[in-house]
Amino acid sequence: EAQVTQNPRYLITVTGKKLTVTCSQNMNHEYMSWYRQDPGLGLRQIYYSMNVEVTDKGDVPEGYKVSRKEKRNFPLILESPSPNQTSLYFCASPLGGPSLNQPQHFGDGTRLSIL
Amino acid sequence: GESVGLHLPTLSVQEGDNSIINCAYSNSASDYFIWYKQESGKGPQFIIDIRSNMDKRQGQRVTVLLNKTVKHLSLQIAATQPGDSAVYFCAEGNRLAFGKGNQVVVIP
Repeated sequence: EAQVTQNPRYLITVTGKKLTVTCSQNMNHEYMSWYRQDPGLGLRQIYYSMNVEVTDKGDVPEGYKVSRKEKRNFPLILESPSPNQTSLYFCASPLGGPSLNQPQHFGDGTRLSIL
Repeated sequence: GESVGLHLPTLSVQEGDNSIINCAYSNSASDYFIWYKQESGKGPQFIIDIRSNMDKRQGQRVTVLLNKTVKHLSLQIAATQPGDSAVYFCAEGNRLAFGKGNQVVVIP
């Protein structure tokens, strides 16, 4: 069964304390991406990765970092979190083959609260 | 936590009735579109997709219509059920851009 797994599901932390949200997929796909979802703004892409060691900025990359050292994992890093990064985060990978022109399979989400 | 459904257009529909959700897109070069359903506390789930060489595609209880002339697509849900209550949004597949979504509330 195709899975995109994120951890943690919920996190409350304080401003400035570095955190990492992990994402792994079992589909052996090259493409992975991170989104944040905010009320009234919909899903916005933070970063994406076309392959191992290849990452690119999405629409809202400020304050985030990613890494792609292996195909299955794509962690999202907040080096110095701020309250405006309080949001619901989703990791995604294509549902079928490697092509971008297909539906995305999303993880269950990570709700981050930065105090 | 705050629901992603807040601040969204809301469609209230009686159980058993048909629902129609609309989406407008801006890029006339877009040639692939996807509808997703997002239930409370879950990630978006793929429902149905359509490519620009088609104007209609049907799935199980769902139909997507594409009007390229006016850059509009719609999702029709037949015989709406309580389990259909969710946020629905469209995406332009090539750009992975997402609409803000529509909240559907099914009244039993």
